[in-house]
Amino acid sequence: DAGVIQSPRHEVTEMGQEVTLRCKPISGHDYLFWYRQTMMRGLELLIYFNNNVPIDDSGMPEDRFSAKMPNASFSTLKIQPSEPRDSAVYFCASSLTFRNQPQHFGDGTRLSIL
Amino acid sequence: EDKVVQSPLSLVVHEGDTVTLNCSYEVTNFRSLLWYKQEKKAPTFLFMLTSSGIEKKSGRLSSILDKKELFSILNITATQTGDSAIYLCAVGGGGSQGNLIFGKGTKLSVKP
Repeated sequence: DAGVIQSPRHEVTEMGQEVTLRCKPISGHDYLFWYRQTMMRGLELLIYFNNNVPIDDSGMPEDRFSAKMPNASFSTLKIQPSEPRDSAVYFCASSLTFRNQPQHFGDGTRLSIL
Repeated sequence: EDKVVQSPLSLVVHEGDTVTLNCSYEVTNFRSLLWYKQEKKAPTFLFMLTSSGIEKKSGRLSSILDKKELFSILNITATQTGDSAIYLCAVGGGGSQGNLIFGKGTKLSVKP
């Protein structure tokens, strides 16, 4: 079975550029989560969706970050304009429901903003 | 503020040793506690615990939850070099129904 698929695996770009990260959740999963992982702060939830609708975006650091889920099989996280402090590994995860179901993670996108 | 604290932050052992990793939490509306193993890429799911005192076991790994004292432990017996990873504890709960609150992880290094 295909797991959560993220692209690109690595992204290196200059500050000020727009960055778009992509995620395909596991088929049939109702919940999709975007996380950011850094050495200093660990794994932090940015936003999550239920049935394509954003439920909680309180973790989105600022207006430069936006996320969409146009359909059940695709989501994007966009940063515009990007800054060096956005450098991190961004993970997408999905789960069948939220109540007592594990989240399954993609391999992440390693983002470096120069 | 909801928080999950793991200890130790890092641990170095030799093959064959037994290790115990700790996770304590203060999370409102607790639903479940999960353990993940993270090697180079994605965190992979190990266990989910919802009830106190019931041990979950998978091969050499086992875990138990104490909801009264608000902690969990993850035991690994007869460690192998392949157990080297970061072990993450996450708690489902808090103000947002879908949220998992993660600890910073314990980095385990198993030497041959």
